[in-house]
Amino acid sequence: GQNIDQPTEMTATEGAIVQINCTYQTSGFNGLFWYQQHAGEAPTFLSYNVLDGLEEKGRFSSFLSRSKGYSYLLLKELQMKDSASYLCAVNDYKLSFGAGTTVTVRA
Amino acid sequence: NAGVMQNPRHLVRRRGQEARLRCSPMKGHSHVYWYRQLPEEGLKFMVYLQKENIIDESGMPKERFSAEFPKEGPSILRIQQVVRGDSAAYFCASSPQRGQGHTGELFFGEGSRLTVL
Repeated sequence: GQNIDQPTEMTATEGAIVQINCTYQTSGFNGLFWYQQHAGEAPTFLSYNVLDGLEEKGRFSSFLSRSKGYSYLLLKELQMKDSASYLCAVNDYKLSFGAGTTVTVRA
Repeated sequence: NAGVMQNPRHLVRRRGQEARLRCSPMKGHSHVYWYRQLPEEGLKFMVYLQKENIIDESGMPKERFSAEFPKEGPSILRIQQVVRGDSAAYFCASSPQRGQGHTGELFFGEGSRLTVL
């Protein structure tokens, strides 16, 4: 079966940094995705890791350790518009999602 | 807009009625996935289809739910005899054919929100 864990909620201040951790135990692995979902909207792609290491994309970075079954999404210079749910998903020929982490950015 | 198109965006049904949700994948995409999302919860995989084929339906409830992706036209998720517990957002996603350097990224539609009274 699939087991993908991430914290339920996180709160941070505008301009700060927040790190969202994700641990996974899945039957297969062909990459890990992070998606952003604003309330009532469709999930949108943020990042993809298939090899160990850090992928940087502007204010967002994602890290993967396959041996540890661990990833994190790093959000820098937080803005109010970053308040959303962040979904960790593992690709084992279909995407299996964690429950999501709701990030609230406060002024 | 060549994105994933879902309709209706909102659907209200009474218990016992049928709900039909439609999804047209992005142009050039031949794989369709349906996910269900309950309030405050993550996306739960339901079914994965290609044209005229169900590839994986391991997430579909055994009764009342069915899905198809015909040769022509959109993919349909059908829920018969709806119950209150079926109230949720149903998201469709599509991807290109595998093996073409594709990472497995899914492109999501805006979702269909079903409310069962």
